[in-house]
Amino acid sequence: DQQVKQNSPSLSVQEGRISILNCDYTNSMFDYFLWYKKYPAEGPTFLISISSIKDKNEDGRFTVFLNKSAKHLSLHIVPSQPGDSAVYFCAASAMNSGNTPLVFGKGTRLSVIA
Amino acid sequence: DTGVSQDPRHKITKRGQNVTFRCDPISEHNRLYWYRQTLGQGPEFLTYFQNEAQLEKSRLLSDRFSAERPKGSFSTLEIQRTEQGDSAMYLCASSSRLSALNEQFFGPGTRLTVL
Repeated sequence: DQQVKQNSPSLSVQEGRISILNCDYTNSMFDYFLWYKKYPAEGPTFLISISSIKDKNEDGRFTVFLNKSAKHLSLHIVPSQPGDSAVYFCAASAMNSGNTPLVFGKGTRLSVIA
Repeated sequence: DTGVSQDPRHKITKRGQNVTFRCDPISEHNRLYWYRQTLGQGPEFLTYFQNEAQLEKSRLLSDRFSAERPKGSFSTLEIQRTEQGDSAMYLCASSSRLSALNEQFFGPGTRLTVL
């Protein structure tokens, strides 16, 4: 049973517009959420994170929103750039329960078209 | 740059052979994780260490897999009697126990192909 779900395998966005990547989770014990970006033949690169005590965290062009009641989070990239084209993974952990290993979704492939 | 490094980057082996991978974490990080990623999936947790102690193993880690982290520095992951189903990208990540948000930093991975 997938505890972290990214239901859109791919997303295509024009350069300069907003990219919105979505993630749903089922485990109510999750309290830390992270987004990673992955290029082919490389390891995932950490982008941004949020704890369950917040509903928004912003870092430059990247903003993560968390809706705990809906068990949903999203990553907004504004403005999107061609270099943002990659696979984006949502990940979660239950830190306060002592579970630090990350549980990942299957990823969403973002293509930013110039 | 003293990021997470992994060696080798690629390994091709025949079914039944043993393979060993190495991970060097970021030097001040005391937590080290191994994950496995197959095509179309996200990384899946295998095992993790805090210093030299192996604290958790996933059910994915069959008895053919063993991991060590002597002296709490680098780690090795050994797969004995490899099977074709072991073909995957093996990823290592490290983090500091002082990290407030459990940020884990990944190495480039070792791609294993079992023929």
